[in-house]
Amino acid sequence: NAGVTQTPKFQVLKTGQSMTLQCAQDMNHNSMYWYRQDPGMGLRLIYYSASEGTTDKGEVPNGYNVSRLNKREFSLRLESAAPSQTSVYFCASRRVGDSYEQYFGPGTRLTVT
Amino acid sequence: GQQLNQSPQSMFIQEGEDVSMNCTSSSIFNTWLWYKQDPGEGPVLLIALYKAGELTSNGRLTAQFGITRKDSFLNISASIPSDVGIYFCAGRNTGTASKLTFGTGTRLQVTL
Repeated sequence: NAGVTQTPKFQVLKTGQSMTLQCAQDMNHNSMYWYRQDPGMGLRLIYYSASEGTTDKGEVPNGYNVSRLNKREFSLRLESAAPSQTSVYFCASRRVGDSYEQYFGPGTRLTVT
Repeated sequence: GQQLNQSPQSMFIQEGEDVSMNCTSSSIFNTWLWYKQDPGEGPVLLIALYKAGELTSNGRLTAQFGITRKDSFLNISASIPSDVGIYFCAGRNTGTASKLTFGTGTRLQVTL
């Protein structure tokens, strides 16, 4: 049982390049989330998927797109990377019901030059 | 958007000391969660609180859901070196579906 996995662990992009961050969970959770973490800013929600087939914007969605590929996988795409998107990206998942506990992956450290 | 204020921002303590930190909100929350993040890792859930006034322990950690529902507290007793890390609070209120709001974290450093 691996929990939430993310790939890649590290990535360096040039301005304007595109890439997709991958996330998968094996806990049979319905909801999945993408956050970015910047120094002094805590975790900010980019997009989330309450259930398979649905996605919604979070607090900072500009410059990103997401795909909920199936119940297990939720990907985050940067179409044209900008230096302001340099950050650490975390994926999380949550089981259904009254529990609002989210479980996080190990993160992807992205640098855009 | 909503903001969660955590204090202190950072603290240095000696091994064996007790630690207290808190989180305050400008609005009422129905759920409070506390996470710990080690360097280079993702946040790990420590304690979840669902009722005002609730006091919950996890080993040497104890967290409380404030009775005003606008704050929460985390205490660590008899700190040890592996307690080093950043502690985040997160809250959820009705009307935000399953989304959480995170605090900016308290960085804890333990000296021998």
